[in-house]
Amino acid sequence: DVKVTQSSRYLVKRTGEKVFLECVQDMDHENMFWYRQDPGLGLRLIYFSYDVKMKEKGDIPEGYSVSREKKERFSLILESASTNQTSMYLCASSVMKTQYFGPGTRLLVL
Amino acid sequence: AQRVTQPEKLLSVFKGAPVELKCNYSYSGSPELFWYVQYSRQRLQLLLRHISRESIKGFTADLNKGETSFHLKKPFAQEEDSAMYYCALSMRETSGSRLTFGEGTQLTVNP
Repeated sequence: DVKVTQSSRYLVKRTGEKVFLECVQDMDHENMFWYRQDPGLGLRLIYFSYDVKMKEKGDIPEGYSVSREKKERFSLILESASTNQTSMYLCASSVMKTQYFGPGTRLLVL
Repeated sequence: AQRVTQPEKLLSVFKGAPVELKCNYSYSGSPELFWYVQYSRQRLQLLLRHISRESIKGFTADLNKGETSFHLKKPFAQEEDSAMYYCALSMRETSGSRLTFGEGTQLTVNP
């Protein structure tokens, strides 16, 4: 069974803080993704990675960066959190175009 | 650029009634289409993909390239079908597995 875990279920941060969201998968998948999920907007791709140390911008990369130093771990970084980054963040890994999602991190930026 | 549209944000039906969740896409190439589902307090998961041409939990979806649609259907809705449903598109020409998701439809099946 594929397992994708995210470091926090809930997170509260202040404007201007640097925020790290961690994602780990245990199935040796090459592709990993970060989305944000907002009501009425669906899932929007922030960044994805198809290999260690490789990254590609998604549809809404502004204000975010990522790191993939090991195959199983994909980190999303908010360099300076802002209130409009309050959202649910979903991580996924994939094989054969099927994506497996983590439980999500609900981030509140005050 | 590819785009996926789900015109209904909310859909409410009664148990036993037929249900259809609409999905339209725009993409000039050869698409692969998927339906993902998120039940309350559960993680998002794959429901079905058009390539498999399978029925999952009584749901089916047919890719209509002429109408650029991939509607999800079930003849008799059950209360446990209540969930958020997302349609997603992958570009067959790319080797990666990037998906473009629609806005989602919240389905409620009333008793």
